[in-house]
Amino acid sequence: EAGVAQSPRYKIIEKRQSVAFWCNPISGHATLYWYQQILGQGPKLLIQFQNNGVVDDSQLPKDRFSAERLKGVDSTLKIQPAKLEDSAVYLCASSLGGGKNEQYFGPGTRLTVT
Amino acid sequence: GENVEQHPSTLSVQEGDSAVIKCTYSDSASNYFPWYKQELGKGPQLIIDIRSNVGEKKDQRIAVTLNKTAKHFSLHITETQPEDSAVYFCAAMDEKLTFGTGTRLTIIP
Repeated sequence: EAGVAQSPRYKIIEKRQSVAFWCNPISGHATLYWYQQILGQGPKLLIQFQNNGVVDDSQLPKDRFSAERLKGVDSTLKIQPAKLEDSAVYLCASSLGGGKNEQYFGPGTRLTVT
Repeated sequence: GENVEQHPSTLSVQEGDSAVIKCTYSDSASNYFPWYKQELGKGPQLIIDIRSNVGEKKDQRIAVTLNKTAKHFSLHITETQPEDSAVYFCAAMDEKLTFGTGTRLTIIP
């Protein structure tokens, strides 16, 4: 079974530029999550989708971050404009359903904002 | 919201010895407590979890204990091996997962 795919793996941009990350979850997984992991910290949930609907985006900085999962499969997370403090690893995870179902994480995209 | 504290931040143990990582949480509504292992350049991987109606769970060399009254839970790794070297995260879930700050475990051959 293929795991969660993410691209790109690494990205370096200047502040005020925009960037987009892509995630393809495990086939059949209805729930998709985006997490932000700052160096030396645990992952922090940004947004959770159930199929193509948003379940929780309470910690997403909506003035600069946006995410979509239009067809209920793959998803894109965008940052516009980027700030220095956005430097982090952005992890995508998926699960069969929400709640206590096991979350499977992708390898992440390491973003550096200079 | 939930707050999860994790100790120690770094831990070095001799190969074959045991390692213990401790976490506390703040929200009494949390009822699911997974532990993740994260290797360099990879995403976290679930290694064991425990639900609030259970006090202890074991899977081969890994065990987790939960004290709901005190709001703390611990990961125990016995007979440690070099491949156990990684960063370990605890987490607590009510409606969403809140992670601890991680423990970098180094196994000394």
